[in-house]
Parts: sequence; structure tokens; C-alpha cells
Amino acid sequence: NAGVTQTPKFRVLKTGQSMTLLCAQDMNHEYMYWYRQDPGMGLRLIHYSVGEGTTAKGEVPDGYNVSRLKKQNFLLGLESAAPSQTSVYFCASSYSSGSEQYFGPGTRLTVT
Amino acid sequence: AQSVTQPDIHITVSEGASLELRCNYSYGATPYLFWYVQSPGQGLQLLLKYFSGDTLVQGIKGFEAEFKRSQSSFNLRKPSVHWSDAAEYFCAVWGGGNKLTFGTGTQLKVEL
Repeated sequence: NAGVTQTPKFRVLKTGQSMTLLCAQDMNHEYMYWYRQDPGMGLRLIHYSVGEGTTAKGEVPDGYNVSRLKKQNFLLGLESAAPSQTSVYFCASSYSSGSEQYFGPGTRLTVT
Repeated sequence: AQSVTQPDIHITVSEGASLELRCNYSYGATPYLFWYVQSPGQGLQLLLKYFSGDTLVQGIKGFEAEFKRSQSSFNLRKPSVHWSDAAEYFCAVWGGGNKLTFGTGTQLKVEL
């Protein structure tokens, strides 16, 4: 099992550009999450999904959109990137809402 | 709303010394509690979790944690630290709903 994978690993964008981050899991988990990690702030939840076709906002959803068209994939989109979105992005999945979350290796995004 | 505090941003210990990382939570009932470890450039890996029952839980890599309801704490311990334990450690709490709340992390440095 690959677990949770993320594509790409690194990306540099110019302000105003758009991009999509892809997360895939092979554990048949219902729940999937997108976090951003910034120094001294821990992990903050951007959006999450409780099953195929569902999405919901987390703590810091502004400037991001998500889609969960297939159970195994969870996409995070930035429509118009801003320097404040420079961060490391982690995807995670879990069997249920209170169970252990499995994390991907992260995507380091720089917006100039 | 649930919250987690990790009072120590940085901790330095000598290899072979004992380790205790502090975690305090705020939640009205007994939450589910987790400790994760993040090595540089990697995603988060679960060390251990507490759901109910025995308040002393054992995890991977020789770590353990003790849930103390009276102190709202879930401190992580290791009797003898190895150089490979240098990493960032995150405490997390789940109090219902779809959200896992993370602390801001403790960076552990191990001196040889």
C-alpha cells in the first residue's frame, strides 16, 4: 500500500496563477483533509470531506477550493495564488472522524 | 471549542537522557488524544493515541504518554532519547465533530 500520496512535492507560483494539488489514498478511507503548516502555527485545517461527493470548510478556507469526485482522491485548488498562501500543504485521510489520520509527505508551495 | 497547548516550543536533551513533552488540552469531556511526530521534510506519523481505558499508553519507538484528567494533560515521555528522535512533535485532540485540533508543536533537538 502506498498510503497517502501527494502531487507535486514542490511548486513555485507567481501571484495570480492557479494550480491544483492532488491527494490520493488507497486505504478506502471515507474522510480526507487538507491542512497547511506554517512555522509556529501547527497544522490548520483548510477543507475536509466526509465522503465521495462531499466537501466542507475548515478553519482557513478562504482562497482555496476542493473537490472529491472519487473516494480515493481529494483535490485542492488555488484559483489566484497570493504570497500569503506560501506554505507546506498536507493531505490526510482517516477511517472515521475520530480515528487516526494518515498523512501524505506534503507539498511545499512558494508564491512569489 | 477544543484547544491544545504545547508550552515548549523548543527542547534540547542529551542523547540517553529522559524526555517529557508537555501537552494540555481544553475540552469539556474526555477527548481522544494523539501524539504525532514529524521528521524534517516528512509528513506526520502517529506515535500513540488515547481513546479510553488505561491512562498510560504505549506507542511506537519506545514512547509512552499518560492521560491525566485532573490536569487536562497528555504528556509524552521516553526514558532514553536517541539522536534519531530529533524531530517536531505535535499533540492533537478530537472532541467530536469532524475536526482534529493540533498544538503548535515542540521541536526536539538531541545533543550527542
